[in-house]
Amino acid sequence: AQKVTQAQTEISVVEKEDVTLDCVYETRDTTYYLFWYKQPPSGELVFLIRRNSFDEQNEISGRYSWNFQKSTSSFNFTITASQVVDSAVYFCALSGPAGGTSYGKLTFGQGTILTVHP
Amino acid sequence: KAGVTQTPRYLIKTRGQQVTLSCSPISGHRSVSWYQQTPGQGLQFLFEYFSETQRNKGNFPGRFSGRQFSNSRSEMNVSTLELGDSALYLCASSLQGGSNEKLFFGSGTQLSVL
Repeated sequence: AQKVTQAQTEISVVEKEDVTLDCVYETRDTTYYLFWYKQPPSGELVFLIRRNSFDEQNEISGRYSWNFQKSTSSFNFTITASQVVDSAVYFCALSGPAGGTSYGKLTFGQGTILTVHP
Repeated sequence: KAGVTQTPRYLIKTRGQQVTLSCSPISGHRSVSWYQQTPGQGLQFLFEYFSETQRNKGNFPGRFSGRQFSNSRSEMNVSTLELGDSALYLCASSLQGGSNEKLFFGSGTQLSVL
């Protein structure tokens, strides 16, 4: 079975601070996919980033960056120079390979509530 | 391009009733999946449809069912509602429903069971 753990329930920062959201996952699959989604107050989840299990290269996309480490089963997400508009609930999610029971379905963590104060 | 549309936005029902929720995916998307979100259990996968066929199902009782039409629009039905079914029900669409695809979510239907 797949499992995603986001140990941080709530994080509060002041605007322009950098903030890192932690995610630890469990899976028996050798091929899997990791995601971060953001849920603003309006309710819909918005896709942020995606990573394949066979590509551990860490990247930066604008103010977002991520650190994927298979050795520790972690997929952490960092927002640089946070803004008030970044306030939302952030979810880490995991899906499995084609042909597996987790194909096409996301297993989500419990979410981290991020509040960015002006 | 219009996003994923879910109707209704809010719904109030009483125990024992049944409810049908609707989801219109992004044009061209053939996969629709449904998730239930509650404060206690978080986001949980209900089922996924592709080309009118259910391809995957989560661990929910048989009272939860769904279907997909030829135009990719989807409905989910919950029969014999229980208080614990109160939740935000989110629909998501993607092109093929593959595990590496990003999902586009609707704003959800907030169901309250009294």
